[in-house]
Amino acid sequence: GENVEQHPSTLSVQEGDSAVIKCTYSDSASNYFPWYKQELGKGPQLIIDIRSNVGEKKDQRIAVTLNKTAKHFSLHITETQPEDSAVYFCAANDYKLSFGAGTTVTVRA
Amino acid sequence: NAGVTQTPKFRVLKTGQSMTLLCAQDMNHEYMYWYRQDPGMGLRLIHYSVGEGTTAKGEVPDGYNVSRLKKQNFLLGLESAAPSQTSVYFCASSPPARQETQYFGPGTRLLVL
Repeated sequence: GENVEQHPSTLSVQEGDSAVIKCTYSDSASNYFPWYKQELGKGPQLIIDIRSNVGEKKDQRIAVTLNKTAKHFSLHITETQPEDSAVYFCAANDYKLSFGAGTTVTVRA
Repeated sequence: NAGVTQTPKFRVLKTGQSMTLLCAQDMNHEYMYWYRQDPGMGLRLIHYSVGEGTTAKGEVPDGYNVSRLKKQNFLLGLESAAPSQTSVYFCASSPPARQETQYFGPGTRLLVL
């Protein structure tokens, strides 16, 4: 089955700086890669996703890149704000979603 | 549109007790899922359903049962709770046209003593 590894497990950044989270996957058949944001006490919320036929996707301050050859994808958050503080999960889909272990992002004011 | 809702929000059980967690969605989604979330382990799939009356095992199904008698509801049962089942449980649903895009509920925190 699919194995998704996510790094780093924790990330602290100064407000206004950029944050990058990286994930690797094992199954070359995976073709869909969503990112979820989970705020304290809430369920995960889809923030951006990318399909295997696309190399990069942007939505305002967040972007995701995918390298199919290397089997890794990354989340980039620019101009971080305090409300970006949360746990972020990556996932990869072959026939089901397999999640990374999560990254706790703290934005320091 | 409430999306995905879960009942209860929090529950404490003693070892050996049973309980049912309820998930409801009002988006007319075909697919529904139950996950558990444990520290440092992300989300792991317990059971899922591709439609009313059908269920299937996920990654960690042992100790749990599920039922999908109505399209909008997905029930997760613990017949004899164990401390290892202490976790946060999330339900999710997805539409048939984009079954990989899952929408999550707010979660149920379960503590088994």
